[in-house]
Amino acid sequence: RKEVEQDPGPFNVPEGATVAFNCTYSNSASQSFFWYRQDCRKEPKLLMSVYSSGNEDGRFTAQLNRASQYISLLIRDSKLSDSATYLCAALSNDYKLSFGAGTTVTVRA
Amino acid sequence: NAGVTQTPKFQVLKTGQSMTLQCAQDMNHNSMYWYRQDPGMGLRLIYYSASEGTTDKGEVPNGYNVSRLNKREFSLRLESAAPSQTSVYFCASSGPLGDEQFFGPGTRLTVL
Repeated sequence: RKEVEQDPGPFNVPEGATVAFNCTYSNSASQSFFWYRQDCRKEPKLLMSVYSSGNEDGRFTAQLNRASQYISLLIRDSKLSDSATYLCAALSNDYKLSFGAGTTVTVRA
Repeated sequence: NAGVTQTPKFQVLKTGQSMTLQCAQDMNHNSMYWYRQDPGMGLRLIYYSASEGTTDKGEVPNGYNVSRLNKREFSLRLESAAPSQTSVYFCASSGPLGDEQFFGPGTRLTVL
C-alpha cells in the first residue's frame, strides 16, 4: 500500500464552482502535510502547508483529519488557471516527503 | 535568485550508456533530493542528502549513484542506463526539516 493515496480524478468543473478532493496517508506518525500544484510538463510548486488542523489561503482551504488520516483541499470560485494536477505529500519523522500520484482538476469555461 | 536549476532539460540515451544529471541550488539549503516521476506513480525518492558530505538511499535507489559535491550541488549518475529508467527526474532542496521543498524544472530522460 502506498503511503499517500489520492483519487486521480479527473475532476472536471465549471468556472466558479467549488471542487474538493482528499488525500489519505498511512503513516500515523506524519506531522506535516503539503499540497503542491503541478502544471503539465512543469515542476511541482508548493501551494499550501498544513501543520495543524487546517490552513486557508484565499480561495484554497486545506483541512487535516488526523483521526481518519486524510487531508482535503477545497478550491472555491474555480478559475480556468486552477486547472492542474494537485499533489499531496506527507512528511515522515526522518524528514522525507512521501507523495501521492496526484489529482487532476480541469476547470472549463 | 535562480532557485533550483537542473541540466540537461532533455536527454536520449541508448541502453548501457552512462550520464550524470546536474542540480544546483542557490537558497543555502542543507537538504537536497532526487526524485523520479512516472505516470500514475507520483514522485518517488531516489536519493537524498541531508547535508554536504552525506547521502542516503530513498525508495528507488537501484541503478543510480549520487554525489553531494558541495552545499550547492547534488548530481545523479546512471552508470548503465536501462529502458526502465525512462522518466522525468526532479531535483529539490529544502531546509533541514525537509519540509517546503523547492523543485528544479526537471530532466526528461528517454532510454532506448
